[in-house]
Amino acid sequence: SQQGEEDPQALSIQEGENATMNCSYKTSINNLQWYRQNSGRGLVHLILIRSNEREKHSGRLRVTLDTSKKSSSLLITASRAADTASYFCATALNYGGSQGNLIFGKGTKLSVKP
Amino acid sequence: DTAVSQTPKYLVTQMGNDKSIKCEQNLGHDTMYWYKQDSKKFLKIMFSYNNKELIINETVPNRFSPKSPDKAHLNLHINSLELGDSAVYFCASTLDRAGRYTQYFGPGTRLTVL
Repeated sequence: SQQGEEDPQALSIQEGENATMNCSYKTSINNLQWYRQNSGRGLVHLILIRSNEREKHSGRLRVTLDTSKKSSSLLITASRAADTASYFCATALNYGGSQGNLIFGKGTKLSVKP
Repeated sequence: DTAVSQTPKYLVTQMGNDKSIKCEQNLGHDTMYWYKQDSKKFLKIMFSYNNKELIINETVPNRFSPKSPDKAHLNLHINSLELGDSAVYFCASTLDRAGRYTQYFGPGTRLTVL
């Protein structure tokens, strides 16, 4: 069953603006990972945030995790046209037979206009 | 050096045929996965293997048979291909089965069944 839900489904911004994408999930997790997928390409790992962490940064990316609300957000600051892609959150369960499997959300399609 | 590689990148075939997709990782990881991404970009886990042994089969039809000759390789054989099998198939690997680490994805194999 689907674990993560991203919103918005699509986001269109101008270059230089910030982009925020949200992800909600349903069950207890070990960690949450964000991936980027350019059109017709594979998935590129962006950030992994563990269940005992609240915030992580990597360059222009900032990820937060609120386990009490079962939600995460990905912020891309000072966006560039090259950031245009689909962004997925994926949760790694920490229990049961599916432990370790990544459960993906439907993704947010980000379009950054020059 | 490519970390996770898949062949072929594109596969076009007729309904009823049998085909295989190969995956190799040179990261020294113990755990490998197959995911299917449908036309709506939804990614779903199919199988996970740890050290050549099947861990999870996520209700995939038995026409799909993964094989892991060693822990660096995980191949996917599909019998009697159906139209609904058309999708992009991604291989991934990670350090261990506990789900604590980043999963690294291959570039994908786009399968088109005519």
